Amino acid sequence: DVKVTQSSRYLVKRTGEKVFLECVQDMDHENMFWYRQDPGLGLRLIYFSYDVKMKEKGDIPEGYSVSREKKERFSLILESASTNQTSMYLCASSLLRGAGVNEQFFGPGTRLTVL
Amino acid sequence: SQQGEEDPQALSIQEGENATMNCSYKTSINNLQWYRQNSGRGLVHLILIRSNEREKHSGRLRVTLDTSKKSSSLLITASRAADTASYFCATDNKGDYKLSFGAGTTVTVRA
Repeated sequence: DVKVTQSSRYLVKRTGEKVFLECVQDMDHENMFWYRQDPGLGLRLIYFSYDVKMKEKGDIPEGYSVSREKKERFSLILESASTNQTSMYLCASSLLRGAGVNEQFFGPGTRLTVL
Repeated sequence: SQQGEEDPQALSIQEGENATMNCSYKTSINNLQWYRQNSGRGLVHLILIRSNEREKHSGRLRVTLDTSKKSSSLLITASRAADTASYFCATDNKGDYKLSFGAGTTVTVRA
């Protein structure tokens, strides 16, 4: 079974702090994704990566950056956390691009609170 | 950007009853997927239906797709308490590998 793990289930940070959220997948997937989930808004894509060192902006990239130095690891960085970034963050991975079948496998989520 | 929109937003049913939820989308798709999310957890893939398919079954799940109406439905038959969760549809545009998720339908199954 594919396993996607996230470094923390719950995280509390202060405004202005730099925050790192880590995601690791063990199935050699090319694609990795970071979403945030807020009530009534569903999942919104922040960034995704289709290869090592490659990244593309999603729908709401402002205030975030990402890093993918190794295939299995995709990090989301909040350069200077703000209260409006309080949310549930979900990482996902999927098979190679253009496969035509792109079921995504999700991690358990990190609930981030910024005070 | 959000493409899929689920309806209703919330649904409460008695154990043993069927639950039906709908998803509408705006642009042509390659396939449509349904995911389940238990409270405070990650999403789990349930079923995928391709744009050239009209109906698909998986256990107690039945999914239909009407590309002319740009809509899909998910039916859960003989519901159980364990089916209490949020259900999301997700679509991908042709040639893309990103998914667009709707806001979800929250299903509560009462014992």
